[in-house]
Amino acid sequence: DQQVKQNSPSLSVQEGRISILNCDYTNSMFDYFLWYKKYPAEGPTFLISISSIKDKNEDGRFTVFLNKSAKHLSLHIVPSQPGDSAVYFCAASATGGGADGLTFGKGTHLIIQP
Amino acid sequence: DTGVSQDPRHKITKRGQNVTFRCDPISEHNRLYWYRQTLGQGPEFLTYFQNEAQLEKSRLLSDRFSAERPKGSFSTLEIQRTEQGDSAMYLCASFGQGENTDTQYFGPGTRLTVL
Repeated sequence: DQQVKQNSPSLSVQEGRISILNCDYTNSMFDYFLWYKKYPAEGPTFLISISSIKDKNEDGRFTVFLNKSAKHLSLHIVPSQPGDSAVYFCAASATGGGADGLTFGKGTHLIIQP
Repeated sequence: DTGVSQDPRHKITKRGQNVTFRCDPISEHNRLYWYRQTLGQGPEFLTYFQNEAQLEKSRLLSDRFSAERPKGSFSTLEIQRTEQGDSAMYLCASFGQGENTDTQYFGPGTRLTVL
């Protein structure tokens, strides 16, 4: 069973606009969530994370929102830039700080159009 | 470059052969993880080490897979009697402090193709 779900395999956004990537989870034990970005032939690169005690975390152009009651999180990228074109993975951890094995979604391929 | 490194980057082998991959974590990181990623999927957790102790193994880690971290530094992942279903990207990560938070940092991966 897929405990972390990214239901949009791909998303196309115009340069300069907002990109919103969504992620849902089913395991109530998850208390720490992360977003990674991946280019072809490279390993995932950490972007931003959020603990379950918060509902928002911001880092530059990236903001992650967490809705615990809906078991839903989203990543907002504003403004979107061509270099943001990549596959984005949502990941979850059941121990504080993501120090255990992470559970990943299948990813969303973000395409930024000029 | 002080990131996580993996060797080799690519490996092609015939079914039934044994293969071994190496991972060198970021030097001050105590925890080291192995993941597997197949086409269209996210990375799937296999196992992790705290120093030289293997603390958790996923049910995906069959008896043909063995991982070691003998001195608490680099780690090896061996697959015995490879099968075509083992074809995947094998990712290594280490856990430690970043600019704003502790997190898992991934290496570039080893792509395994079993013919």
